[in-house]
Amino acid sequence: DGGITQSPKYLFRKEGQNVTLSCEQNLNHDAMYWYRQDPGQGLRLIYYSQIVNDFQKGDIAEGYSVSREKKESFPLTVTSAQKNPTAFYLCASSLDRSTDTQYFGPGTRLTVL
Amino acid sequence: QKEVEQDPGPLSVPEGAIVSLNCTYSNSAFQYFMWYRQYSRKGPELLMYTYSSGNKEDGRFTAQVDKSSKYISLFIRDSQPSDSATYLCAMSAGGILTGGGNKLTFGTGTQLKVEL
Repeated sequence: DGGITQSPKYLFRKEGQNVTLSCEQNLNHDAMYWYRQDPGQGLRLIYYSQIVNDFQKGDIAEGYSVSREKKESFPLTVTSAQKNPTAFYLCASSLDRSTDTQYFGPGTRLTVL
Repeated sequence: QKEVEQDPGPLSVPEGAIVSLNCTYSNSAFQYFMWYRQYSRKGPELLMYTYSSGNKEDGRFTAQVDKSSKYISLFIRDSQPSDSATYLCAMSAGGILTGGGNKLTFGTGTQLKVEL
């Protein structure tokens, strides 16, 4: 079964802690993305990557970091510098840089206590 | 003003009704248009993809793009309770983000409820 998996589904964090959200895809897609979704707002792009060991900041990268050591994996770390981290985080992938359609994982709900 | 405007709803219709969901946009460079369906606490699922103006039909779903009016629509015929979800429009100018990848701009989503 091809697809995108995200873990965990729910994550709770205390203030001041860093947490890492997992994203894995077996679609053989080159490009991967992280979005944040908040009520009443559209999806906002945090980071994206087109190839291994290369990634770029999106519109709201402050307080987040990523790595792309393998083609199929694109973990997102939410650092203590992120002032309002409680949100629904979505990972997506697309075939390559010229493909518009993005496919999403099931999401991780992060709550800061 | 947001680049993409979408009425948040909620929109409530009886089963079997024809549903019309819409987005307006301001960026005339947008030429690729998508509709995603998102069930509560799930990731968005791609429903329809269209390029430039015109109609595209897939089963009970029809996507319509009017670039002259900067207006896109998704029609759902014979709506079912299982269609109850939030519908997101997304669009792209087709440009390539610096360093690769593709920039999508999303609407905020319209919440649809189809009642028995």
